[in-house]
Amino acid sequence: AQSVTQLGSHVSVSEGALVLLRCNYSSSVPPYLFWYVQYPNQGLQLLLKYTTGATLVKGINGFEAEFKKSETSFHLTKPSAHMSDAAEYFCAVRALFGNEKLTFGTGTRLTIIP
Amino acid sequence: DAGVIQSPRHEVTEMGQEVTLRCKPISGHDYLFWYRQTMMRGLELLIYFNNNVPIDDSGMPEDRFSAKMPNASFSTLKIQPSEPRDSAVYFCASTTGANTEAFFGQGTRLTVV
Repeated sequence: AQSVTQLGSHVSVSEGALVLLRCNYSSSVPPYLFWYVQYPNQGLQLLLKYTTGATLVKGINGFEAEFKKSETSFHLTKPSAHMSDAAEYFCAVRALFGNEKLTFGTGTRLTIIP
Repeated sequence: DAGVIQSPRHEVTEMGQEVTLRCKPISGHDYLFWYRQTMMRGLELLIYFNNNVPIDDSGMPEDRFSAKMPNASFSTLKIQPSEPRDSAVYFCASTTGANTEAFFGQGTRLTVV
């Protein structure tokens, strides 16, 4: 069964600083990987996804993530944090074949310091 | 496209009452998921359907929980009787076999007092 681990339930960065949110997956074969963002009192919105092909994936709002098979990681980055990035971020995994359900990590709450 | 629509957005009920949460998936999507989000347990998959048929209900916590999908455009999650520990945000999501990601509704915040 697939699973993801998000390191750090809370991350604080200064406005303009690099954002790095960590996600490691566990799967017998490389799965589909996702990052979702949740703003207060909202549903989950897809930031970006990795399916096949290019390992560096660009998403909305200036975020990107790199799939590293050797490290079983899919860390999310943004070069320069903005106040509007404050939210909760979830990494999720889905099997390539036969199972469409998404399994989520425990989430990382990102706080931006002015 | 209006996206996944959930109703109500907020529900407050007394312990022991029946609660019904509703979901309208995106038109054309043949997979529907119900998730529960709590501070303690994060996002948990409760059940999912494919072509209106329940595929995996292993996440349904107890017999008090039941879900139905009578047609491709409507699903319900029912809790009877409700308990305070059922207080959570319940999300519905949908997708197709061709998509890889799921599309989420705004959620229903349930409070059982």
